[in-house]
Amino acid sequence: GAVVSQHPSWVICKSGTSVKIECRSLDFQATTMFWYRQFPKQSLMLMATSNEGSKATYEQGVEKDKFLINHASLTLSTLTVTSAHPEDSSFYICSARAVITGRPYEQYFGPGTRLTVT
Amino acid sequence: RKEVEQDPGPFNVPEGATVAFNCTYSNSASQSFFWYRQDCRKEPKLLMSVYSSGNEDGRFTAQLNRASQYISLLIRDSKLSDSATYLCVVNHNDYKLSFGAGTTVTVRA
Repeated sequence: GAVVSQHPSWVICKSGTSVKIECRSLDFQATTMFWYRQFPKQSLMLMATSNEGSKATYEQGVEKDKFLINHASLTLSTLTVTSAHPEDSSFYICSARAVITGRPYEQYFGPGTRLTVT
Repeated sequence: RKEVEQDPGPFNVPEGATVAFNCTYSNSASQSFFWYRQDCRKEPKLLMSVYSSGNEDGRFTAQLNRASQYISLLIRDSKLSDSATYLCVVNHNDYKLSFGAGTTVTVRA
């Protein structure tokens, strides 16, 4: 149980284009999803917290107009990287919080999306 | 100061050896603690939650020391498949997780 999928698993795009990444909880409902970014040999950095039906909460330093997040249903959140630039190349990972009695803080991660902007 | 700090390693150990490493966290109000495992170019996977009294899951033992604000992970009888990066993860009073940069463990035959 608690499986999270991401699509696409990797994408190469040209500078200036937009890329949409989908994150789905497959066998549970996720009221809260999180988007992370990880650069090589660095830790995961939280970009934003996404709650179903409301606006995402962005971490300091993350541009909300550049990284558009939509959490339209209890099983789907999307991250759109707008006007991508080479410095946006990174490993983007989503996670979902499954509300399990006694374990409210555990998060289940999607397999990640490797974005390369040329 | 980073919220979660880990010795990056790498720890290179032979099969069958015991390896242990720590992580420290800065926020004394932190409430939940986890060890995740991340393989190269893959997503993190929950290895174990860490409870106040310490807990064991097979060959893995986690300890929490709130007074000194550190968490440890010990791996006994290392297997080749234990080679990975181990992420120390801490939660405060909301649902956001703070990740350490990871400790790399390489188990050699």
